[in-house]
Amino acid sequence: SAVISQKPSRDICQRGTSLTIQCQVDSQVTMMFWYRQQPGQSLTLIATANQGSEATYESGFVIDKFPISRPNLTFSTLTVSNMSPEDSSIYLCSVSEVGTGELFFGEGSRLTVL
Amino acid sequence: EDKVVQSPLSLVVHEGDTVTLNCSYEVTNFRSLLWYKQEKKAPTFLFMLTSSGIEKKSGRLSSILDKKELFSILNITATQTGDSAVYLCASSGGSNYKLTFGKGTLLTVNP
Repeated sequence: SAVISQKPSRDICQRGTSLTIQCQVDSQVTMMFWYRQQPGQSLTLIATANQGSEATYESGFVIDKFPISRPNLTFSTLTVSNMSPEDSSIYLCSVSEVGTGELFFGEGSRLTVL
Repeated sequence: EDKVVQSPLSLVVHEGDTVTLNCSYEVTNFRSLLWYKQEKKAPTFLFMLTSSGIEKKSGRLSSILDKKELFSILNITATQTGDSAVYLCASSGGSNYKLTFGKGTLLTVNP
């Protein structure tokens, strides 16, 4: 399975600021996804990061709040913009194995907004 | 809307016990059902099931899918304290491998 590295691992941010989370994969992957896990909740898909085109966002998530880049097949970034305490979550990058559908996760980025 | 429901939400057992975790799903164009173990931040992949009635096994963990009843179970035998974690069930449907997750079962194994 692919090795997925995320950074930062954790951060504490001030309200109104923005933070960019990076996801690096050790092999080329077609499908990359960004998930959010709010405290005590399960994982919710934010968007699918598409290489060379705009990300596909799920209901309730918009590009202005969560801009995503995917410049190549091994790297993606998620920015959490104009943060509020409600954005305090774990943000997880994931990739899908082509053909099998197995989904693997990065280590996650724990974000706390004060 | 796709839905995955896990039960129980939490479970406390003693080392050596056997546990069964449940997962029911309603997913359009079902492709697969996946189980994950989450201890700190990142969920760790356990199993993916696509065929009904075929058990997948890894050590003390096993899982089976019933596509007729839209149901899966995860069994853990001879539990150890290291099995303490949240176990997540997720189902994929459609063409983009999007996963819908359940809320998870918090398993606590006491010595």
